[in-house]
Amino acid sequence: DTEVTQTPKHLVMGMTNKKSLKCEQHMGHRAMYWYKQKAKKPPELMFVYSYEKLSINESVPSRFSPECPNSSLLNLHLHALQPEDSALYLCASSQDTLAADTQYFGPGTRLTVL
Amino acid sequence: AQSVAQPEDQVNVAEGNPLTVKCTYSVSGNPYLFWYVQYPNRGLQFLLKYITGDNLVKGSYGFEAEFNKSQTSFHLKKPTALVSDSALYFCAVRDRDDKIIFGKGTRLHILP
Repeated sequence: DTEVTQTPKHLVMGMTNKKSLKCEQHMGHRAMYWYKQKAKKPPELMFVYSYEKLSINESVPSRFSPECPNSSLLNLHLHALQPEDSALYLCASSQDTLAADTQYFGPGTRLTVL
Repeated sequence: AQSVAQPEDQVNVAEGNPLTVKCTYSVSGNPYLFWYVQYPNRGLQFLLKYITGDNLVKGSYGFEAEFNKSQTSFHLKKPTALVSDSALYFCAVRDRDDKIIFGKGTRLHILP
């Protein structure tokens, strides 16, 4: 089973709202990722967690706050977002962060910021 | 620095014909190469990867890719295209335990 699940599928929020995106995998993977994808563009890496510790932050604005409560769960907390943050947010996981490890992606959360 | 290029924004192929989606890469060490497919409003689905060994890699849904070290290419191929293969295809590369780099994507249209 190579399934990564994400909730919600769609989210509409105002610029003053606080919301959270959730990601879950039960493959025993120890690396988890958040990506942002704009229409017809490749995914852009935001954060990498390795063994539940944040290992990479790609200079993401502080209005995005990741959290890894345990090895199966990854959250992305959103606060005071801007309309340009509207995008498809993808979660992925891999066995580890080694170069040969395949990243498996969830279906994404379509975020619209009004 | 590592990079990957997909020279075609769009590829059109008639159903039943063979298809090729091109990818070239640049890395300083040994490349680890991946192909993903994305259907509208969906996440990326892993198709295949090259790590080492046989240059011809077989993957999901009848796709295969050929690693060519001299031409630094990793083209995706399928002998017989289906309309359901129409999607956005991403080539990706890593050369060390670092972040994966995606190409810009190629939109594949299979014409009935």
